[in-house]
Amino acid sequence: GNSVTQMEGPVTLSEEAFLTINCTYTATGYPSLFWYVQYPGEGLQLLLKATKADDKGSNKGFEATYRKETTSFHLEKGSVQVSDSAVYFCALSESQAGGGADGLTFGKGTHLIIQP
Amino acid sequence: DVKVTQSSRYLVKRTGEKVFLECVQDMDHENMFWYRQDPGLGLRLIYFSYDVKMKEKGDIPEGYSVSREKKERFSLILESASTNQTSMYLCASSGNWGTQYFGPGTRLTVL
Repeated sequence: GNSVTQMEGPVTLSEEAFLTINCTYTATGYPSLFWYVQYPGEGLQLLLKATKADDKGSNKGFEATYRKETTSFHLEKGSVQVSDSAVYFCALSESQAGGGADGLTFGKGTHLIIQP
Repeated sequence: DVKVTQSSRYLVKRTGEKVFLECVQDMDHENMFWYRQDPGLGLRLIYFSYDVKMKEKGDIPEGYSVSREKKERFSLILESASTNQTSMYLCASSGNWGTQYFGPGTRLTVL
């Protein structure tokens, strides 16, 4: 079956530090890959996605590149802010265009804490 | 903007009660989903539906059922609530080739 593995944290960084959250996956086909973010007390919001190998998803200064050869989709940001404190989830979908008729398979989430 | 709403943010029920969690989306999406979120386990798919009156089991359907009588509404039912169903429940919807959009969640406590 499909699975997603990510570092669980908490990950604590100082403001303006460089962020990497690792995510690797196993899937039987060619999945679409996602990063979702959950701010305290809220539901999940899509942060970025990539639907095929070598695609780069980006949003709000965050980036992730779909690496088929290493089955990875690591999340990066060059300079984090206190407002980036949240839980980040890596996820995959076997649906060709991503997240359509099939459910998503999620990692366990990484709690990110940014200190001023 | 897509809006997915859930009937309650917080709910407290007693063991053995029948519990209904309601989800409504306003974007005419075909697909709707129920997940539960637990610390250290992430999100796990309970049930999903790709059309009115259609439903499919997800990874952890035991102890739950669902109902989709109208396209915009997807209900999760706990026939006889148990303490191990204390969790955060998240509803999501998507078009056939689109991203999943999530509601704010319902935190259910079963005493």
